[in-house]
Amino acid sequence: DAGITQSPRHKVTETGTPVTLRCHQTENHRYMYWYRQDPGHGLRLIHYSYGVKDTDKGEVSDGYSVSRSKTEDFLLTLESATSSQTSVYFCAISGDTEAFFGQGTRLTVV
Amino acid sequence: GESVGLHLPTLSVQEGDNSIINCAYSNSASDYFIWYKQESGKGPQFIIDIRSNMDKRQGQRVTVLLNKTVKHLSLQIAATQPGDSAVYFCAELRGGADGLTFGKGTHLIIQP
Repeated sequence: DAGITQSPRHKVTETGTPVTLRCHQTENHRYMYWYRQDPGHGLRLIHYSYGVKDTDKGEVSDGYSVSRSKTEDFLLTLESATSSQTSVYFCAISGDTEAFFGQGTRLTVV
Repeated sequence: GESVGLHLPTLSVQEGDNSIINCAYSNSASDYFIWYKQESGKGPQFIIDIRSNMDKRQGQRVTVLLNKTVKHLSLQIAATQPGDSAVYFCAELRGGADGLTFGKGTHLIIQP
């Protein structure tokens, strides 16, 4: 498996609280992505990064922010968690073509 | 709306038969396509890819076919095994770093 680690793997948080998910890679890949996966919607792109401090919005970016201060780390922050953000979050990395995925973070907002 | 989608949410096949999973895309500018397999509780795993300058690519027990005329992609799995049971996603890359766009997935069920 590609060297991707997501943390935490599971989290339960309360509505209105900030939450940060971390993605760490050991492959030195340029591109990193955050997706969320929900029943009936498949995988949807939240934000992506094409280099250190270079990020852009994906399809479902509202309510999320990201930061990439180092090549190996890509952080996803929910500024004020809402129940609609209950989901499974996947980080992915890629060089120029196929993306490799982490194991996912199951986030529940109560 | 979705530019990449799968025709069937569930596909049930007999063990040992061949499986064909289909995908339609709408963006003619897409130049790279991937099939992923996702088992329960895991992240998607790369199976096979194909570039738009090809119409067929074969891997181990899997073949991907690309028909650019009708914007159709298919994944063929030969001699389906119980371990093939998973959700299969097609994904498209339009070039650059925009990220992959995924279809909603087909759940492949293997009957003994």
